[in-house]
Amino acid sequence: AQSVTQLDSHVSVSEGTPVLLRCNYSSSYSPSLFWYVQHPNKGLQLLLKYTSAATLVKGINGFEAEFKKSETSFHLTKPSAHMSDAAEYFCVVGFSGNTGKLIFGQGTTLQVKP
Amino acid sequence: DGGITQSPKYLFRKEGQNVTLSCEQNLNHDAMYWYRQDPGQGLRLIYYSQIVNDFQKGDIAEGYSVSREKKESFPLTVTSAQKNPTAFYLCASSIKGALPTEAFFGQGTRLTVV
Repeated sequence: AQSVTQLDSHVSVSEGTPVLLRCNYSSSYSPSLFWYVQHPNKGLQLLLKYTSAATLVKGINGFEAEFKKSETSFHLTKPSAHMSDAAEYFCVVGFSGNTGKLIFGQGTTLQVKP
Repeated sequence: DGGITQSPKYLFRKEGQNVTLSCEQNLNHDAMYWYRQDPGQGLRLIYYSQIVNDFQKGDIAEGYSVSREKKESFPLTVTSAQKNPTAFYLCASSIKGALPTEAFFGQGTRLTVV
């Protein structure tokens, strides 16, 4: 079965410290992978995407993610957290066997403390 | 500006009533989707459509109906058969292709049963 797991439901960091949000997927195919961010009562905004090119992907607002096929992981990182980064983050997997369909992780709430 | 517009932003429904959520896009995307979001459960796919006059059930289609008469529009009706309709509903669209591409999201409609 195809699935995606976000390993932490809640992550708390201090402003200026690194951020790590973890994501693992399960698939028999080569997936397309995405990270989205959602601020309260808003829609989802794409942070970055992996589609079988470079394994280290850079996104908006200083975020990046590394695709590791051997570990089936796609963790999201940022060197220095900003207060405005506080939001819900979703790891999303798309599989070529289900054209257009995306599978969402449960989400990770990022709290940034001053 | 290109994008996806959902209306209304907030919607209140009495038990036993049907309500229709609007979703319009001017991105010229072929594929459109409806997701339901509940706290701690990520996004779950209700219905999706990859072409005009055609749509498929997602993972939680019971109690919902859709139509796709125009490329730009994909309205969702929450029927009285939906036992727990209170949720945040998100509409999305994407380019249809052989590989999954990122989806673009509207700002959501929060439906509350009163």
